[in-house]
Amino acid sequence: AQSVTQLDSHVSVSEGTPVLLRCNYSSSYSPSLFWYVQHPNKGLQLLLKYTSAATLVKGINGFEAEFKKSETSFHLTKPSAHMSDAAEYFCVVLGGNTPLVFGKGTRLSVIA
Amino acid sequence: DTEVTQTPKHLVMGMTNKKSLKCEQHMGHRAMYWYKQKAKKPPELMFVYSYEKLSINESVPSRFSPECPNSSLLNLHLHALQPEDSALYLCASSLGQGLPKETQYFGPGTRLLVL
Repeated sequence: AQSVTQLDSHVSVSEGTPVLLRCNYSSSYSPSLFWYVQHPNKGLQLLLKYTSAATLVKGINGFEAEFKKSETSFHLTKPSAHMSDAAEYFCVVLGGNTPLVFGKGTRLSVIA
Repeated sequence: DTEVTQTPKHLVMGMTNKKSLKCEQHMGHRAMYWYKQKAKKPPELMFVYSYEKLSINESVPSRFSPECPNSSLLNLHLHALQPEDSALYLCASSLGQGLPKETQYFGPGTRLLVL
C-alpha cells in the first residue's frame, strides 16, 4: 500500500528566503512521486514529478525536489520565495496501477 | 496542450434539482477521473473511467452518476444532493490506466453549493 505524510500543515517564509516543504512516502512498489500546487479557488497544477530517472527533479517556477530512497523522502525546495508562491501544496504518490494517494497538504504563506 | 476544461465554474442548486458537471480534454487521454475536494482537504477520488468504461467507483452515493460519452468527455450527473455535498469537484485525465508512471492533469474545478 502507498501512503504520503506531509510533515508540516503550514509553512511561513519571508519573500526572498528559501522554501522547504517536507514529504515522506511509503510504497510497496518503486513509486512515482508528484508535487501539485493549488492556488485559492483554483484546480491543481503539476509542479514536478519523479518517475525513477534522475533523483533531483526540476519543476516549474524554480521549484525542485530530491528523491531520497534511503530516507523515503521527496522534499520540495525553492531558493527564493515569491509572493505568488503562496498556495496549498500536495505531495502525491502513485504506485503500480493504484490511483493517486494525496498527502494532507501544506499551506505556504509568503510574508512581504 | 495539457488542458482539461470544466463547466460550469460555479453551480448553486437546491436539493431537488438535477444538474450536470462537464469535463473535456483533447490530449488523447483514455483515463478520466472525478474527485471531490472539501475546504482545506486533499482531493478524494470518486470515479475512474478507463477507455470509456467505469473502472473504479469509490463507494460514492447513487445521487452522483458519472457518464463517459466518448474518450474526450466526462459528465457527472447530480440529483437530490445534500448540503454536505457542497465542495469543489475536480476532473483529471491521464494517458490510460495500466500504464505505469503516468501523470494526471487536473481541470480548474466546479465549485458546487447545495442549498
